Amino acid sequence: SQQGEEDPQALSIQEGENATMNCSYKTSINNLQWYRQNSGRGLVHLILIRSNEREKHSGRLRVTLDTSKKSSSLLITASRAADTASYFCATDAETTDSWGKLQFGAGTQVVVTP
Amino acid sequence: KAGVTQTPRYLIKTRGQQVTLSCSPISGHRSVSWYQQTPGQGLQFLFEYFSETQRNKGNFPGRFSGRQFSNSRSEMNVSTLELGDSALYLCASSTTPGGNYGYTFGSGTRLTVV
Repeated sequence: SQQGEEDPQALSIQEGENATMNCSYKTSINNLQWYRQNSGRGLVHLILIRSNEREKHSGRLRVTLDTSKKSSSLLITASRAADTASYFCATDAETTDSWGKLQFGAGTQVVVTP
Repeated sequence: KAGVTQTPRYLIKTRGQQVTLSCSPISGHRSVSWYQQTPGQGLQFLFEYFSETQRNKGNFPGRFSGRQFSNSRSEMNVSTLELGDSALYLCASSTTPGGNYGYTFGSGTRLTVV
């Protein structure tokens, strides 16, 4: 079973608007990571937030983490057509048998129209 | 610097055959992980290698195996292919074992079993 569940499954917005997607997970984590995937190609690492951090920024990306609610959100501001992609959250769980094993959510498919 | 290189990009095999996929990590990265991505199951962890040792393995049958060489290059092998093995196989590398700093993914090998 997947550790992360993402919401919404799909999102359609216009250029210039903000896009927000959420991720919930089940077990304690070391960190949570967000990745982007374009058209079934490889994943691109966007941002990593550690369990002791609450918010992190990278360019137009803002990630929050609430470990008490076991949830995270990714905000993309001023979206562009090039942001059209699937976005995945992945957790690095805090258990010895999870060593090196990222557990991915099902992803949010974002479409940005000009 | 060069990214993670996966070869071949596309592969078509017949049921019952075996296949070997190759992954060359970023120079200096000693950790290599493999993931399988399918529309039904999403992204699932196969295994992680660090310094030629398998550190963790996902819930896949013994037909799936891998190895890592002294130059950190990795291969994964799938024997007795089944139709359900059709997937995008992604390799990811990192400087350290575990997910502490995020992973760099290759573009993947798309395997079709007919």
